[in-house]
Amino acid sequence: NAGVTQTPKFRVLKTGQSMTLLCAQDMNHEYMYWYRQDPGMGLRLIHYSVGEGTTAKGEVPDGYNVSRLKKQNFLLGLESAAPSQTSVYFCASSYPVGSYTDTQYFGPGTRLTVL
Amino acid sequence: RKEVEQDPGPFNVPEGATVAFNCTYSNSASQSFFWYRQDCRKEPKLLMSVYSSGNEDGRFTAQLNRASQYISLLIRDSKLSDSATYLCVVTPPGAGGTSYGKLTFGQGTILTVHP
Repeated sequence: NAGVTQTPKFRVLKTGQSMTLLCAQDMNHEYMYWYRQDPGMGLRLIHYSVGEGTTAKGEVPDGYNVSRLKKQNFLLGLESAAPSQTSVYFCASSYPVGSYTDTQYFGPGTRLTVL
Repeated sequence: RKEVEQDPGPFNVPEGATVAFNCTYSNSASQSFFWYRQDCRKEPKLLMSVYSSGNEDGRFTAQLNRASQYISLLIRDSKLSDSATYLCVVTPPGAGGTSYGKLTFGQGTILTVHP
């Protein structure tokens, strides 16, 4: 199993450009998440999904959109990139067990720089 | 006040030392508690869950004090390979009793173990 993979690993954008980050998991997990990590801020939840076709806002959703058309994929879109979106983006997935969820497994991250 | 606050660190200790990290969380209704480890420029990985009764995994011991809203991690006999950032992580309460696995991260504490 590859676990959680992210594409691309690195990207440099100019202000105003758009891009999509792809997250894929092969563990049949129901829940998927997008986080951003900035120095001194810890990881912050952008959007999450509790199943195919569903999405919900996290702590810092502004400027991002997501889609979960297939259970194994969770896409994060930046429609008009801003320098404030320079960050490391992590995708994660987990599987609910009763009323709790199992461990979150993270992808290797995407380092995005917006000039 | 941040939802999850950790010792700022960094901690620099010699091999064989015992080191302790502390963490406080603001929401008394938080459901689950974890320590994650993050190596430099890598993704976070679950180190251990934290239970009220305390739990131990080899050289690592985690404690939870719900009354004081306090979590700790003790590392005994530090190894060079323990050098990493340690993230205190909490599952916040969710509507209807489920948080959908969402995690709230502390900003992390950097540990460097030197020869």
